[in-house]
Amino acid sequence: DAMVIQNPRYQVTQFGKPVTLSCSQTLNHNVMYWYQQKSSQAPKLLFHYYDKDFNNEADTPDNFQSRRPNTSFCFLDIRSPGLGDAAMYLCATSRDPVLLSDSTDTQYFGPGTRLTVL
Amino acid sequence: AQTVTQSQPEMSVQEAETVTLSCTYDTSESDYYLFWYKQPPSRQMILVIRQEAYKQQNATENRFSVNFQKAAKSFSLKISDSQLGDAAMYFCAYRSAAGANSKLTFGKGITLSVRP
Repeated sequence: DAMVIQNPRYQVTQFGKPVTLSCSQTLNHNVMYWYQQKSSQAPKLLFHYYDKDFNNEADTPDNFQSRRPNTSFCFLDIRSPGLGDAAMYLCATSRDPVLLSDSTDTQYFGPGTRLTVL
Repeated sequence: AQTVTQSQPEMSVQEAETVTLSCTYDTSESDYYLFWYKQPPSRQMILVIRQEAYKQQNATENRFSVNFQKAAKSFSLKISDSQLGDAAMYFCAYRSAAGANSKLTFGKGITLSVRP
């Protein structure tokens, strides 16, 4: 089945130790998103890729970076994790909302990676 | 900037009964999309239902339907014949229809519990 896959599902890192979370998709969607979701809160968009074009949210800390080497994969790099970065990180994908006028611009979410910072 | 408000943090419903989850939003745009997403405990977020603002007819998907009041900027979700599997966190979300801005703005969510 076409889907959005996130690895690992659980990640433990130490304060200040860089960590990379990965997302892959078999949907061939050209837009990929990274969200941060803290306990019982709404997902907060960090950034998204529109094909290879990177779009950073204004309030995303510089500590968070992203890479998208190809259509299928997208990575979230946290350069120096702090205790406040402990959260669930969600990856999502969608097709080009400009080209489509029907329901196919829906965002499809992966299962998330829960990050613990010790 | 658009905002989405879900004022009820928690709700509970008896199995087989009907429950309505409320959502209001604020926008100056005339064309946009509204969504309800479901996030079960420890499971991924999935789309429940979607509404285009230019459509007057309320969207329905099996046991799920919405009451979209554009003038009041209200978008409530009705779940009929509630099932145990409906227990989850539900998020209301907004997306502009303008240009290539595909960003979703989420409400804070509501935790729905279903009593057997």
